[in-house]
Amino acid sequence: GQNIDQPTEMTATEGAIVQINCTYQTSGFNGLFWYQQHAGEAPTFLSYNVLDGLEEKGRFSSFLSRSKGYSYLLLKELQMKDSASYLCAISGGSYIPTFGRGTSLIVHP
Amino acid sequence: NAGVTQTPKFQVLKTGQSMTLQCAQDMNHEYMSWYRQDPGMGLRLIHYSVGAGITDQGEVPNGYNVSRSTTEDFPLRLLSAAPSQTSVYFCASSYSAGREQFFGPGTRLTVL
Repeated sequence: GQNIDQPTEMTATEGAIVQINCTYQTSGFNGLFWYQQHAGEAPTFLSYNVLDGLEEKGRFSSFLSRSKGYSYLLLKELQMKDSASYLCAISGGSYIPTFGRGTSLIVHP
Repeated sequence: NAGVTQTPKFQVLKTGQSMTLQCAQDMNHEYMSWYRQDPGMGLRLIHYSVGAGITDQGEVPNGYNVSRSTTEDFPLRLLSAAPSQTSVYFCASSYSAGREQFFGPGTRLTVL
């Protein structure tokens, strides 16, 4: 089976940096996804980590440590539009990713 | 490309009624899946398919049926709706395992 843990909610200030953590336990691991979901909308893909280390995409970066079962999503220069839920998902033994419960990020001025 | 489309956007059913949620994609993706999303529960996998003619159960399959007769379409059938099936339903597709999933806009279902 799989177990994925993320904080339920985080708040941050516009212009700041925020780190959203995801820890997991799984019997099989192929990679870890991060998705963004604005209220009332569908999730959209942010990143996919297969190997250990940091991958950077503009203001967003994602880190993976397979030995520790740990990932984080780093958001820099926060903007109001970054207020959304951030979903961590594991691609494990089955073909389809399993999602965590998501972290609701609130960015305030 | 339209991407992943879902119909209807909203639906209200009475307990015991049946209905089909439609999902189609025009990206020639082999992998398709259905999730439901409830407050505080994240996305939970109902059923998935890795190609035409192949389907399998996810985490919460009870009360739902699927079929995949073509690559493009993956309908989800509610056999006898129950209030516990009130949720937002998302269909998603991907080119293969380990590739990003593209999600449809969702169907918001209420069962009275």
